[in-house]
Amino acid sequence: AQSVTQLDSHVSVSEGTPVLLRCNYSSSYSPSLFWYVQHPNKGLQLLLKYTSAATLVKGINGFEAEFKKSETSFHLTKPSAHMSDAAEYFCVVSVYNQGGKLIFGQGTELSVKP
Amino acid sequence: GAGVSQSPSNKVTEKGKDVELRCDPISGHTALYWYRQSLGQGLEFLIYFQGNSAPDKSGLPSDRFSAERTGGSVSTLTIQRTQQEDSAVYLCASSFSGTSGFNEQFFGPGTRLTVL
Repeated sequence: AQSVTQLDSHVSVSEGTPVLLRCNYSSSYSPSLFWYVQHPNKGLQLLLKYTSAATLVKGINGFEAEFKKSETSFHLTKPSAHMSDAAEYFCVVSVYNQGGKLIFGQGTELSVKP
Repeated sequence: GAGVSQSPSNKVTEKGKDVELRCDPISGHTALYWYRQSLGQGLEFLIYFQGNSAPDKSGLPSDRFSAERTGGSVSTLTIQRTQQEDSAVYLCASSFSGTSGFNEQFFGPGTRLTVL
């Protein structure tokens, strides 16, 4: 079975400081991994995806994530937080050979203090 | 271009009533997914359509839940005899194809269902 675990339910940073949102995955196959963001009262938006082409994946709004097979991790980072980054972030795995259905982590709420 | 749309945006119903939730996917997307987002369970998969067929219904929580898709486009999720635990945000997503896990799923804004 495939799964993802987000290690922090809530992360708080100051504006201009780095962001680190942690995610570990479990998969018997080479996984397809995603990070989605959900702003309050808005729909889910794809930030970035890993599909085995490159281990360091760059996404929108300055976010990036690094796939580390040895650590089974796919942590999301951003060098400098902006107030507009405050949202809920979901680490997601696509289930192998099952039509691409997604398994979501529990989410990490990111707060950004001025 | 138009994204995934869902209607209604909000639905309040009484326990025991039936409800229908609608999803209009992005034109040309053959794969369509329903998910549910609730406080206690997070985001969970309900059902997947490839064209008009549903090869994976494994996430439907009970036989009160059903879904159909017609013309390879619009999908309707029906909940019969609603219960309070059905209260959640129901999200629809579509992607170009479900045969590859690499395809991005585009999500609609969701329908917030409240069962009184």
